[in-house]
Amino acid sequence: GQQLNQSPQSMFIQEGEDVSMNCTSSSIFNTWLWYKQEPGEGPVLLIALYKAGELTSNGRLTAQFGITRKDSFLNISASIPSDVGIYFCASGGGADGLTFGKGTHLIIQP
Amino acid sequence: KAGVTQTPRYLIKTRGQQVTLSCSPISGHRSVSWYQQTPGQGLQFLFEYFSETQRNKGNFPGRFSGRQFSNSRSEMNVSTLELGDSALYLCASSFPGGPYEQYFGPGTRLTVT
Repeated sequence: GQQLNQSPQSMFIQEGEDVSMNCTSSSIFNTWLWYKQEPGEGPVLLIALYKAGELTSNGRLTAQFGITRKDSFLNISASIPSDVGIYFCASGGGADGLTFGKGTHLIIQP
Repeated sequence: KAGVTQTPRYLIKTRGQQVTLSCSPISGHRSVSWYQQTPGQGLQFLFEYFSETQRNKGNFPGRFSGRQFSNSRSEMNVSTLELGDSALYLCASSFPGGPYEQYFGPGTRLTVT
């Protein structure tokens, strides 16, 4: 089946630092979604991308849909403690369901 | 607008038993998808329902089944529970036909002993 390769697996950063994570696939996708999950909760949709080359922001978060349609990245600027969590990329959707990456664990060191 | 709700939030069952989980989608959303989340396999698609019909199913055994009611609420059932079925079961709702933004509930944490 389709696989999304998400990296890095985990990130240990200082508060105030910028964060960058990405997702790649061997298949072409028409949609890229980025979610954040906190302990004991379901994933929360952060950003949705639908066009190759599209760059979309949501506050301090910025995500881009790669031109080849096989990759996407998510940047977080000036990280704060509440950014801690697991970030997932996802693609597909509709009747076929979403395919998810394995997630990037973001840990902010005091 | 209320989000996706799932009940119960936590459940402990014994091997061999069966379990039913419930999901109420966001008002107006008619597509409901179910996912299993485990530390080893991550988030995996179980099945998707629209208009009371299962449109697709992921790579799971027949012990996993579901249904959708006319009000779009959905249930999933797991029969003959195995230890490996311990997981967080997530329900997500969306508008059918796109955009493919799915909104998740908080999940049901199932522990099989």
